[in-house]
Amino acid sequence: AQKITQTQPGMFVQEKEAVTLDCTYDTSDQSYGLFWYKQPSSGEMIFLIYQGSYDEQNATEGRYSLNFQKARKSANLVISASQLGDSAMYFCAMREVRRGGFKTIFGAGTRLFVKA
Amino acid sequence: NAGVTQTPKFQVLKTGQSMTLQCAQDMNHEYMSWYRQDPGMGLRLIHYSVGAGITDQGEVPNGYNVSRSTTEDFPLRLLSAAPSQTSVYFCASGRTGINQPQHFGDGTRLSIL
Repeated sequence: AQKITQTQPGMFVQEKEAVTLDCTYDTSDQSYGLFWYKQPSSGEMIFLIYQGSYDEQNATEGRYSLNFQKARKSANLVISASQLGDSAMYFCAMREVRRGGFKTIFGAGTRLFVKA
Repeated sequence: NAGVTQTPKFQVLKTGQSMTLQCAQDMNHEYMSWYRQDPGMGLRLIHYSVGAGITDQGEVPNGYNVSRSTTEDFPLRLLSAAPSQTSVYFCASGRTGINQPQHFGDGTRLSIL
């Protein structure tokens, strides 16, 4: 069974500092994809970064990087130089191949608060 | 670009009523899905589809029906609404591929009294 675990319901970070949001996953598949999405208070879902299970390098997108540790089944999101606009909910998601195509499930999310 | 359009944005139903949440996308995406978002539980997958005529169950399919007669549309039906179905519902679409992100609609906030 698929499972995504985000153990930090809420996190605080000082503006301009880096923060790591944890995500662990459980799968028996060899091929899968890992995603992070941001949900601001306005409610829309914004795709941030992707990591493939076969990718040897950690993914990076601007201030976002994904710390991928395959053996530990973790895919932590690192946000460098936090900004006030980074205050939002952050969701980790995993996509696997399933009968009929692909299936993507999400974790419970982490709410990040950036302090000035 | 319209992207993924969900209607209505808000709805209040009485227990036992039926309703269809509409979702349409104009990006020619093969993959579409429905999620519900509840506090502390993240987004839970209800149903998904990889193309017209093909649907499959997600994590929490009970009480919901879907069909996919066209690439563009993926409606979600509540046959007999229950208070436990009070939630925010998101429709998403994306290209087929394990590395393809999903594009989300703005959500439908549904209250069942």
